[in-house]
Amino acid sequence: EDQVTQSPEALRLQEGESSSLNCSYTVSGLRGLFWYRQDPGKGPEFLFTLYSAGEEKEKERLKATLTKKESFLHITAPKPEDSATYLCAVQVVNFGNEKLTFGTGTRLTIIP
Amino acid sequence: ETGVTQSPTHLIKTRGQQVTLRCSSQSGHNTVSWYQQALGQGPQFIFQYYREEENGRGNFPPRFSGLQFPNYSSELNVNALELDDSALYLCASSPIRDSGGNEQFFGPGTRLTVL
Repeated sequence: EDQVTQSPEALRLQEGESSSLNCSYTVSGLRGLFWYRQDPGKGPEFLFTLYSAGEEKEKERLKATLTKKESFLHITAPKPEDSATYLCAVQVVNFGNEKLTFGTGTRLTIIP
Repeated sequence: ETGVTQSPTHLIKTRGQQVTLRCSSQSGHNTVSWYQQALGQGPQFIFQYYREEENGRGNFPPRFSGLQFPNYSSELNVNALELDDSALYLCASSPIRDSGGNEQFFGPGTRLTVL
């Protein structure tokens, strides 16, 4: 069974204090790994897709990386507006079914 | 370009009732997926529709059913509501399928409360 585990569950950082969120996964065949940001009571907002080990993608203060077992979301010099829950999801090789399997998320709080 | 929209925003029902949630997919997207998100959890896959047919289903009972219409919009129906059905219901659309992983773009969700 496909599994996605995110750590830590919650993270509090001072504004400007860089850190990383982890997403480890166990799947039969990875088709893609996705990062989303979710604000309270809202739908997830798409951030990145990673397809193969060694791939990296950046957007503003965020950088996502992928290995064969895990992905990291690096946050550089975060600002209070980066506070949100960050969700990781995997899509597996399964003909005809494109479901996403999500982790439980990391709740990030940036303190001014 | 219009994103994914869902209606209603909030809904309160009593146990045993039936509910219909609606979703309009993003322009150019032909696949719609539905997810249930309980408080503090990640979204759980309910089912997916492609070309008006169910294309994969998660671990949800048959009282969860759906439809996709020719314009790619979709409905989620839940019969015989239970207290545990209280959650945020998310609809996501994705573009025409190809060999790579397809990003799914989510709507704002419908908050369902079952009393």
